[in-house]
Amino acid sequence: GEQVEQLPSILRVQEGSSASINCTYENSASNYFPWYKQEPGENPKLIIDIRSNMERKQTQGLIVLLDKKAKRFSLHITDTQPGDSAMYFCAAGNSNNRIFFGDGTQLVVKP
Amino acid sequence: GGIITQTPKFLIGQEGQKLTLKCQQNFNHDTMYWYRQDSGKGLRLIYYSITENDLQKGDLSEGYDASREKKSSFSLTVTSAQKNEMAVFLCASSIQGAAEQFFGPGTRLTVL
Repeated sequence: GEQVEQLPSILRVQEGSSASINCTYENSASNYFPWYKQEPGENPKLIIDIRSNMERKQTQGLIVLLDKKAKRFSLHITDTQPGDSAMYFCAAGNSNNRIFFGDGTQLVVKP
Repeated sequence: GGIITQTPKFLIGQEGQKLTLKCQQNFNHDTMYWYRQDSGKGLRLIYYSITENDLQKGDLSEGYDASREKKSSFSLTVTSAQKNEMAVFLCASSIQGAAEQFFGPGTRLTVL
């Protein structure tokens, strides 16, 4: 299997600042690392993902970093806005048909 | 694009009752999943299926059965509903394991 640890569980930041969420995994065979955002009352939606052939990926104010040696990956949200307030889940997996989710980070962006 | 539908949206049952939740997808995805999400918590995998008639246990399969009747549908049965399993049950599908999962809107289970 796989264990994915996600920290912090709650993150409060000021609007306009950056927010970082960190995840670690155990299985060196993991090669796919998605991030999902879940707004209150909604279902989770993929916001960005990275595969093991990359170390960094960026899209629309989101940056993901992958350190395969340390088995660590992270999400960085630059210039946070109130609309970024949500639950964020990291996950890790490979071609074995399932992914393993972290327990989630509740991001609160204060105006 | 495609869509995942879950029925019912709200399910109320008595303790000990057998209850069935249904999920349909028109993405033509091979893999489908059932997750349970307790209030404010993470996603726990109950069952998944990599193709029609396939069934794989997740981390929380005890007390549940599942059935992949055809490629587009995946149902979950709560064999004997308990008050401590009141939660939102989310169905998802993906083209393969290491790919984006698309989630349905969820079924909220209440046990009286």
